[in-house]
Amino acid sequence: SQTIHQWPATLVQPVGSPLSLECTVEGTSNPNLYWYRQAAGRGLQLLFYSVGIGQISSEVPQNLSASRPQDRQFILSSKKLLLSDSGFYLCAWSVRGLAGVWQFFGPGTRLTVL
Amino acid sequence: AQSVTQLDSHVSVSEGTPVLLRCNYSSSYSPSLFWYVQHPNKGLQLLLKYTSAATLVKGINGFEAEFKKSETSFHLTKPSAHMSDAAEYFCVVSTGGFKTIFGAGTRLFVKA
Repeated sequence: SQTIHQWPATLVQPVGSPLSLECTVEGTSNPNLYWYRQAAGRGLQLLFYSVGIGQISSEVPQNLSASRPQDRQFILSSKKLLLSDSGFYLCAWSVRGLAGVWQFFGPGTRLTVL
Repeated sequence: AQSVTQLDSHVSVSEGTPVLLRCNYSSSYSPSLFWYVQHPNKGLQLLLKYTSAATLVKGINGFEAEFKKSETSFHLTKPSAHMSDAAEYFCVVSTGGFKTIFGAGTRLFVKA
């Protein structure tokens, strides 16, 4: 069966510090991978998605970046965190079905920037 | 363009009473529709999905949803609420490509 891991589960970082969040998927090959952010009281915002190694599409301009160094690994990074980067970060992978895409989500990382 | 609207930001029900979470969508072609549930500080879990088969879709934990093309709706229902159903629920439409569009979410409160 497929599983998706995210770490760390929680993170508290000072403003201006770097960030690296990691997501890995097991039990599937060549998944589509996604990073979402969920700010307090708001819905999910798609940040990046990837359809293959080294292929990253950015949805929202910001100080975050993503990389996919391996087929089942997706990394979210920042060189300098802002207060507004605080939120709940969710990684997801998807199966391309016959009609439409449904996604499976990781447990999330709670990031607090102070 | 595709969009999804969850008509209520909050819904409050008593335990044992029916649940109705409303969702309307806009799509230029036949959509795929999904409902996800998120408990506090957890990831999202797929409740059910509609992909152009039967219009009444049954999901996990006693939830079901009915696709009504004439009303462009995909409301989520459950006959009897349980305390463990208290969570946030997201209605989602698939664009048919690699991306999905999430509604703003409906927070369900269940009173004892």
